[in-house]
Amino acid sequence: AQTVTQSQPEMSVQEAETVTLSCTYDTSENNYYLFWYKQPPSRQMILVIRQEAYKQQNATENRFSVNFQKAAKSFSLKISDSQLGDTAMYFCAFMKRSGANSKLTFGKGITLSVRP
Amino acid sequence: DTEVTQTPKHLVMGMTNKKSLKCEQHMGHRAMYWYKQKAKKPPELMFVYSYEKLSINESVPSRFSPECPNSSLLNLHLHALQPEDSALYLCASSPPAGGTTYNEQFFGPGTRLTVL
Repeated sequence: AQTVTQSQPEMSVQEAETVTLSCTYDTSENNYYLFWYKQPPSRQMILVIRQEAYKQQNATENRFSVNFQKAAKSFSLKISDSQLGDTAMYFCAFMKRSGANSKLTFGKGITLSVRP
Repeated sequence: DTEVTQTPKHLVMGMTNKKSLKCEQHMGHRAMYWYKQKAKKPPELMFVYSYEKLSINESVPSRFSPECPNSSLLNLHLHALQPEDSALYLCASSPPAGGTTYNEQFFGPGTRLTVL
């Protein structure tokens, strides 16, 4: 079974600053995806970024980038130039790549507040 | 069409009512999911449909009954619910990645359900 741990329940960052959200996971699988999902107060869950485990290069999407350390089973999200619209709950998630029924395993989430 | 839609946005029902939630996607995704989410918690998987067949039921009580009439539509029929079933119900879908494996999940905006 897989587990995903987000140990920080809340973080706060000043607008335009950079913030890093932590995530660790545990699995015996070798072929998997990792995701960061964002859920603003409007409650729509949005995919922010995904990383395939076999790729060594860290994924980036505009202001969002990850630091994927496969050996350490760590998958942190860096948000650069934070904006007020980044205020949301962020969930780290794991999904096995192989086999049927691709279930997401979520962490508990972290609430990020961006201060003006 | 590049989104998952859900209706209704809000639903209030009594414990003796029968109601249905609807989810639709026209992206050609072949896996569809129902999740239940309580405030400030990660989504909990309820059901997975793969190619219109129920592939996962996470031991959900029978008062929740899923239905997948076709590849674009997913319903959740509700009957004799309890107040503790009040939550945000999220639908998601995934594009196929070969065989019965799937890529990332895309979520709808959810239906906020209140059971009185």
